[in-house]
Amino acid sequence: GENVEQHPSTLSVQEGDSAVIKCTYSDSASNYFPWYKQELGKRPQLIIDIRSNVGEKKDQRIAVTLNKTAKHFSLHITETQPEDSAVYFCAARLDTGFQKLVFGTGTRLLVSP
Amino acid sequence: NAGVMQNPRHLVRRRGQEARLRCSPMKGHSHVYWYRQLPEEGLKFMVYLQKENIIDESGMPKERFSAEFPKEGPSILRIQQVVRGDSAAYFCASSPENLLSGITYEQYFGPGTRLTVT
Repeated sequence: GENVEQHPSTLSVQEGDSAVIKCTYSDSASNYFPWYKQELGKRPQLIIDIRSNVGEKKDQRIAVTLNKTAKHFSLHITETQPEDSAVYFCAARLDTGFQKLVFGTGTRLLVSP
Repeated sequence: NAGVMQNPRHLVRRRGQEARLRCSPMKGHSHVYWYRQLPEEGLKFMVYLQKENIIDESGMPKERFSAEFPKEGPSILRIQQVVRGDSAAYFCASSPENLLSGITYEQYFGPGTRLTVT
């Protein structure tokens, strides 16, 4: 089955710096890659997603890139702010008709003022 | 448009009791997914349902766990004879259906039910 690996597990940056989180997936049939942000004790919230027919997508300070050949995708956050501190999860969805998301293990991002 | 609703938000059960977790999807969504999140871990898929049908239950433990999504009412995840290892946050997500392709993409999560087994 699909396996998603995520790195790093923790990431500490200074406010204003950029943060990059990387994920790799194993099944080349995966075609949808969302990113979720989860604050402590809260629900995962979809922040950006990308489909396999697109290489890059931006939404204000966040962007996601996808390299289908290498089977990896990355989340980029620019001009980080303390409120960006949270756990970020990447996920992949198989194109098999069964539409479950397979999640990475999460990255705890800490943005220090 | 109300988001995905889950109740209860917190549930405490003693070992051997039954736990019932409820999920009401967003209005207009007909696909429901259940995920489990153990402390300090990621989300693990459990089951995917459409109205009255279980589509994929490959993540469900073979015993004690069951799920349903009746024609009327919320989806229910039932855990019988709970054990301490069942303590986790259980999240429900829902997604709309693309009527042209039949494929769904975005999944929106509910607030979760935090189950504690004592």
